[in-house]
Amino acid sequence: EVQLVESGGGLVQPPGSLRLSCVASGFTFSRYWMSWVRQGPGKGLEWVANIKQDGSEKHYVDSVRGRFTISRDNSKNSLYLQMSSLRDEDTAVYYCASLRGFSAYDAIASWGQGTLVTVSS
Amino acid sequence: DIQMTQSPSTLSASVGDGVTITCRASHRISNYLAWYQQKPGKAPKLLIYKASNLESGVPSRFSGSASGTEFTLTISSLQPDDFATYYCQQYNSYSYTFGQGTKLEIK
Repeated sequence: EVQLVESGGGLVQPPGSLRLSCVASGFTFSRYWMSWVRQGPGKGLEWVANIKQDGSEKHYVDSVRGRFTISRDNSKNSLYLQMSSLRDEDTAVYYCASLRGFSAYDAIASWGQGTLVTVSS
Repeated sequence: DIQMTQSPSTLSASVGDGVTITCRASHRISNYLAWYQQKPGKAPKLLIYKASNLESGVPSRFSGSASGTEFTLTISSLQPDDFATYYCQQYNSYSYTFGQGTKLEIK
């Protein structure tokens, strides 16, 4: 069974930093593109970033590019999101997600339970 | 960037009804479209991928179709467990985008 477990969320003042982690199990982590998706309070889903299997390609939504960095450690089956210069509008539940297939052009098959990031002074 | 316009934003229906949700892409996306169901406080769940393919374990009352840049999710006979929020998502580019969501409520 695929499991994705996020951690690292919490309350942070703007323009602080936070690092989210996600530990994967139940599948061969190193074979899949991985993503972060967020959902603001009472809002819809927003894709944040994704990363290729070997970490050689990374893509970001415009609103976080230059502030957030996605990374992975395949030896630890772990995905990370380093967030800096945080703003109020970054407040959201952040989901770790794995794609259905080995290509970036695929749906999100599995989601973590989410970790809440609150940015507030 | 590719924009996804989803409608309606809210839909009221009764158990046993058939309903349709629509998503329109701002550019052609080669049917790289998924549908998700989300319940309050829970992570989304994949229902349909590649516009019309049913994910394993998803009931057959869910179906998806495509016509050009317009995509539809149909639920043929609503069950009590189906009342939730539904999102479309395009994955034709490296920058994925979601529709705004459709909240399916009990009438």
